[in-house]
This record gives sequence, structure tokens and C-alpha cells, in this order.
Amino acid sequence: KNQVEQSPQSLIILEGKNCTLQCNYTVSPFSNLRWYKQDTGRGPVSLTIMTFSENTKSNGRYTATLDADTKQSSLHITASQLSDSASYICVVSDLGDYKLSFGAGTTVTVRA
Amino acid sequence: DSGVTQTPKHLITATGQRVTLRCSPRSGDLSVYWYQQSLDQGLQFLIQYYNGEERAKGNILERFSAQQFPDLHSELNLSSLELGDSALYFCASSSRGSYGYTFGSGTRLTVV
Repeated sequence: KNQVEQSPQSLIILEGKNCTLQCNYTVSPFSNLRWYKQDTGRGPVSLTIMTFSENTKSNGRYTATLDADTKQSSLHITASQLSDSASYICVVSDLGDYKLSFGAGTTVTVRA
Repeated sequence: DSGVTQTPKHLITATGQRVTLRCSPRSGDLSVYWYQQSLDQGLQFLIQYYNGEERAKGNILERFSAQQFPDLHSELNLSSLELGDSALYFCASSSRGSYGYTFGSGTRLTVV
């Protein structure tokens, strides 16, 4: 069983709307949690990285939250743009910071 | 440009053949990681090298092998290729654990 579960698997939103992606993990203890954006056919690009002591981290219109007690994270996209269409991947690093566990990703499609 | 260089960008080859994918990490990064991403699938960790030595192994087939050279570039060798090996192969590098973890733009391998 994957140690990082993401939901929903995919979603479609209208341009300008907001959306929230979920990430639940079982990796424990952990070093950090990252959200990546991957455009089709391209390499993943880091959006945010949070340690267990951080609750929220923003990067422009992207805001990630972390609840280390419930082992949940979310990525909120505000005022979506067509360029936000991509796969968003949640990645958790173990405490030794050597092993990364990847979620399967959430595919976001933004329509005009 | 992420600083991680992968070549070639595209590769088409026949079943049963052998190919070599190359990765040059960001300047100063000692760790190199290889991932496979099949169509509509998540990233699957293959193998990690740190300063020339194998550090961790994931779901890497026996037909696949990798190495990291003294100049820190890495090569992933895929042999006896099968149709199912068609995928995007990503390399990532880091200088310390998962911090600064950066992906290359990938090599798209098509086996026909």
C-alpha cells in the first residue's frame, strides 16, 4: 500500500475558480512534505516544501497546509489559470531524509 | 532550466535492444536519483547514487542498471527492452537529502 494517498485523482475547474487537493500520508516520522507541479511530458517542479513544524507555506497562488497530527496536507490553488493545468504530486521524505514516498498525483484541468 | 541535464530527450528503439540514458546533476549535487514514469502513472523510484556509490534501490528490474561516475554524472542502462519499458525516465539530483531536490526534464523512451 502506498504511503502517500492523493485525492481526487483528477478534477476539472473553470478558469478563475479555486480548488483544493488533498494528501494523506502514513510516513512517520518524516522530515518534510513537498508539493510538485508536473506539466505533461515535463519534469516535476517544486512548489512548496514544509517541515513537520510548519503549518502553511505559500508560493504565489499556491498555498499548502500541513497537519502533522492527522498526517494530512492540502494544496489550495487560488484564482486558477489555464496554465495551472497539470499533475500535482505530494511527496513525503522520511526522517532520515533518504527515502521519498510519492503520491500518484492529482490531475487538474482548468477550462476557459 | 533546472540545472539537471538529461540526454537524449527522446529515444525510439526496437524490442530487445539496449539503450543508455545520461544525467548530469546540478553543480555541487552529490546524489542522483532515477525514476520511471509510465503513461498516466506516478513516478516510480528506481535507484539512487551518492558520490559514486549506490545508496538505495527501488523497483528496478534486473535488466536495468545504473552507475555514477567520478565526475558525478550518471547513466541508466536499459537492456533487452520490452514494449512495457516505454516511459519517461527522470533523473533528479540533490546536495543534501531531499532539500534542493531537482528534477531534470526527462528522457522519453519509446520501444517499438
